[in-house]
Amino acid sequence: AQTVTQSQPEMSVQEAETVTLSCTYDTSESDYYLFWYKQPPSRQMILVIRQEAYKQQNATENRFSVNFQKAAKSFSLKISDSQLGDAAMYFCAYRSALRGGSQGNLIFGKGTKLSVKP
Amino acid sequence: GAGVSQTPSNKVTEKGKYVELRCDPISGHTALYWYRQSLGQGPEFLIYFQGTGAADDSGLPNDRFFAVRPEGSVSTLKIQRTERGDSAVYLCASSRDFQETQYFGPGTRLLVL
Repeated sequence: AQTVTQSQPEMSVQEAETVTLSCTYDTSESDYYLFWYKQPPSRQMILVIRQEAYKQQNATENRFSVNFQKAAKSFSLKISDSQLGDAAMYFCAYRSALRGGSQGNLIFGKGTKLSVKP
Repeated sequence: GAGVSQTPSNKVTEKGKYVELRCDPISGHTALYWYRQSLGQGPEFLIYFQGTGAADDSGLPNDRFFAVRPEGSVSTLKIQRTERGDSAVYLCASSRDFQETQYFGPGTRLLVL
């Protein structure tokens, strides 16, 4: 079974600085997707960034980028120029690319609470 | 367009009661997922619908939990004989198809007293 581990329960960053959130995962599959979701106090899970495992190029979305190391099964999120609105829980998630059965669902880590100091 | 909506936003019930939680997916999304998020945890998968049928219900914790999606759009998660351990946020997500990105609703916070 696949697992996702986020080893940092809490992180803090100064406004305008850069922070990196860690995520490792375990799988025997070769094709899959990885995601970072943000969950503010409103509870709504918001997609931050998505990475396809077959793509070697790291995904980037504005101030958010990932460092995807497939061999090491590592998928970290870098937030540049941190803003107060970035404060939230961040969840790393895995999904199989295989069709059918239980492969459609997301498998989440326990999350990292990010605080942004003004 | 409108996102995923869930009602009610909050639900307080007594142990042993029956509850229904509703999810309205994004229009045209054929895949619909239910997750449960306990305090301090990441969401955990409950059930996945492709159209009207439950393609995978392996995450439902026991037979007190049941979900339907009769017309392939709105889904209802039903919990019988609620227990205090059922207290959690229940999240719904939808996607255009199986391999597309899942978009989440704001969740229903269920509290069983």
